[in-house]
Amino acid sequence: GQNIDQPTEMTATEGAIVQINCTYQTSGFNGLFWYQQHAGEAPTFLSYNVLDGLEEKGRFSSFLSRSKGYSYLLLKELQMKDSASYLCAVREDSNYQLIWGAGTKLIIKP
Amino acid sequence: EAQVTQNPRYLITVTGKKLTVTCSQNMNHEYMSWYRQDPGLGLRQIYYSMNVEVTDKGDVPEGYKVSRKEKRNFPLILESPSPNQTSLYFCASSTSGGTGETQYFGPGTRLLVL
Repeated sequence: GQNIDQPTEMTATEGAIVQINCTYQTSGFNGLFWYQQHAGEAPTFLSYNVLDGLEEKGRFSSFLSRSKGYSYLLLKELQMKDSASYLCAVREDSNYQLIWGAGTKLIIKP
Repeated sequence: EAQVTQNPRYLITVTGKKLTVTCSQNMNHEYMSWYRQDPGLGLRQIYYSMNVEVTDKGDVPEGYKVSRKEKRNFPLILESPSPNQTSLYFCASSTSGGTGETQYFGPGTRLLVL
């Protein structure tokens, strides 16, 4: 079956670093996305990984290990505006549909 | 400005009263999709469309209909809404729906069915 797991909630301090993990079990794999969603707003694209390794984009980095079915999103120099939910989504081989995790709510404290 | 728009943004209705949520994109995207988002659950796809006159069911299509008569519009129709369709709905679009294509989301429609 299809399954994507993320922690429900995490708390971190302004200026610190936080790592949000995502594990997946899908029948195929054709890429993994991370989206950010502020409360009451639409998800917005953060990163895309299809090959193993680390993709860095400013304060945000995303890592993928296909053999382990594992990804993480790393946020550095946390700011209060980073308080949001972070959604992990996997695209399977068979179609263009995305399978979404339930999201990780990140709370940033001063 | 490139965007996906949805209307209405908020809607309260009663069981059985047909409603339509409109979705429009101005980016000439071929792929469009509808999702619902409920607390504790991930985004779940309702229907998607690869191009004009091409639609297909997602994971939770029961109780919903869609149409794609023009490239820019992809309305979601609830013929006979029920309380279990109370949810936050998002429309999304992307260039082709293919590998690596990011999806652009509309602002969301919050629906309450009494």
